[in-house]
Amino acid sequence: DGGITQSPKYLFRKEGQNVTLSCEQNLNHDAMYWYRQDPGQGLRLIYYSQIVNDFQKGDIAEGYSVSREKKESFPLTVTSAQKNPTAFYLCASSPFGDRVSEQYFGPGTRLTVT
Amino acid sequence: KNQVEQSPQSLIILEGKNCTLQCNYTVSPFSNLRWYKQDTGRGPVSLTIMTFSENTKSNGRYTATLDADTKQSSLHITASQLSDSASYICVVKGNNRLAFGKGNQVVVIP
Repeated sequence: DGGITQSPKYLFRKEGQNVTLSCEQNLNHDAMYWYRQDPGQGLRLIYYSQIVNDFQKGDIAEGYSVSREKKESFPLTVTSAQKNPTAFYLCASSPFGDRVSEQYFGPGTRLTVT
Repeated sequence: KNQVEQSPQSLIILEGKNCTLQCNYTVSPFSNLRWYKQDTGRGPVSLTIMTFSENTKSNGRYTATLDADTKQSSLHITASQLSDSASYICVVKGNNRLAFGKGNQVVVIP
């Protein structure tokens, strides 16, 4: 899991509540990413950030929001607008500010919304 | 249609046996291909990276092959161990984009 931490490991929320997932890295990487992983599916990109104070929507950004105020941190907020928020969420970082450098993944956060 | 297809979806093997996982892709242009290992409830960890000019690369008991002409890659696990039980994900780098396979779920039993 390298120098990427995600917290908490497990998160439970009631439907209709917003929830924020934490992702911190001490690798001095420029780029950070959020993915969603569902059973039997490949990783899907939610948002990514190539530099501080800038981020881009991925393939499934609806119902999610992010911020990148510091190089080390890239929190993800799952809003009540996300129709199916229960999933395993993975944060990643890469040394360069493009989308295709090797990505180092955090340990993940499993979010359950009931 | 997914640009990266992996097979078999899942398999069970006896400890000590070998197995081979397949990855077919349609990503173009092709830049490189990585195999990741993901233990249950953990983040993926890179095993190997294959570039266009490489045919074979090993990492311990893991050997990856690449045929860029047929757009196929394989990951061979030799003398499997219980700790090899995991999902193996094939990731192909194309034009400023990564395409993820759904993974091969491997279960090693004693």
